[in-house]
Amino acid sequence: KNEVEQSPQNLTAQEGEFITINCSYSVGISALHWLQQHPGGGIVSLFMLSSGKKKHGRLIATINIQEKHSSLHITASHPRDSAVYICAVSRTGNQFYFGTGTSLTVIP
Amino acid sequence: KAGVTQTPRYLIKTRGQQVTLSCSPISGHRSVSWYQQTPGQGLQFLFEYFSETQRNKGNFPGRFSGRQFSNSRSEMNVSTLELGDSALYLCASTPTGTNYGYTFGSGTRLTVV
Repeated sequence: KNEVEQSPQNLTAQEGEFITINCSYSVGISALHWLQQHPGGGIVSLFMLSSGKKKHGRLIATINIQEKHSSLHITASHPRDSAVYICAVSRTGNQFYFGTGTSLTVIP
Repeated sequence: KAGVTQTPRYLIKTRGQQVTLSCSPISGHRSVSWYQQTPGQGLQFLFEYFSETQRNKGNFPGRFSGRQFSNSRSEMNVSTLELGDSALYLCASTPTGTNYGYTFGSGTRLTVV
């Protein structure tokens, strides 16, 4: 069983739609990370959360520590948001566990 | 401010050879961690270095090793390459490694033939 589970695996949305990607984890963590990976491989760190909610532009990330669950929301989605979104958790000493990723395609 | 630089970007090696990959972190970042990404296994943590010391290691065989220099630059080495080592190898840096944001490099794509 993976320590980090993401859903859905694949997501197709129309431009402008509100998108939610979910992440559940089963281990104690020091922080949860949302990463974005575009074709070609480069990874961008979107958020690092240990509690509550963070917002950056059209992206919102929330975490519920008691329920061991996090969500990444994209408002007013755009084709340039098409990418793989990866949830990762870090434990003491930087031990990382990664979800398998959610492949998002936003259609114009 | 320069980002995390990984060299080389692409590499083709033959089974049985060894390879060394390099990662230069953002200036001032003392923690460098390494990851392997394959289509089958996804992203997996290899190891993390802080102030020239390995602080954490993932579940990889001893053929995978690394080191960090006094300027925080890090190298990882894979000896006796196997076909299954073909992957994208990513490094990330962070100031101290605990509860700070991570900056990833663009990765080195290694192909073993």
